[in-house]
Amino acid sequence: QPALTQPRSMSGSPGQSVTISCTGTSSDIGSYDYVSWYQHHPGRAPKVVIYRVNKRPSGVPDRFSGAKSGNTASLTISGLQAEDEADYYCCSFRGNRYSGVVFGGGTSLTVL
Amino acid sequence: EVQLVESGGGLIQPGRSLRLSCAASGLEFGEYGMNWVRQGPGKGLEWVSGINWSGRDVGYADSVKGRFTISRDNAKNSLYLQMNSLTIEDTALYYCTKDQTPRVAVTGVGDAFDVWGQGTMVSVSS
Repeated sequence: QPALTQPRSMSGSPGQSVTISCTGTSSDIGSYDYVSWYQHHPGRAPKVVIYRVNKRPSGVPDRFSGAKSGNTASLTISGLQAEDEADYYCCSFRGNRYSGVVFGGGTSLTVL
Repeated sequence: EVQLVESGGGLIQPGRSLRLSCAASGLEFGEYGMNWVRQGPGKGLEWVSGINWSGRDVGYADSVKGRFTISRDNAKNSLYLQMNSLTIEDTALYYCTKDQTPRVAVTGVGDAFDVWGQGTMVSVSS
């Protein structure tokens, strides 16, 4: 059982917005802002699209945004495009330094 | 260009050992924390282990604690993962990843994994 809970799948039409949730606990998302999101196209290496809850790396379109409230983080993709179809994973630091980092189970996003 | 190239994967029997390597280029390797992340067949990403820039702080997922050991050789720009007592559940594509932020003292707070290798496949089967 992944430590962070994400919806297994989501879908949207081109131009629409989708928000993917990621629910953790007070030991990870609830206590730290080290939340990141990764886009993973099959056969390719994952790519970070959001870090520190809501910061975008250079080169990532501003259609991607992140937020956090309590123990839940979210990734919103606005103006969906065909190339956004991929698996998305949230990731968080855990409070106990010896537990390191945990990923969510992943959300498969389909652009209809 | 920053590159991470994993090697050492293969087909191995349960209970045996395997050592993965990751060769880094195009960066000041000794400045960054490094991690191993794996993806089993049909499964999601799983953080396996991390090591800070100096090698003094390491962390492991509960699923591998006591069996896997992460290490690095900054002089050789290389990261390693010694995997002992392998089980079928360890079958996965293993990625080497780099922390985004340099000189972070604690494993896991490097902001993000900003560079990934292409992975090396480990198949554990009798």
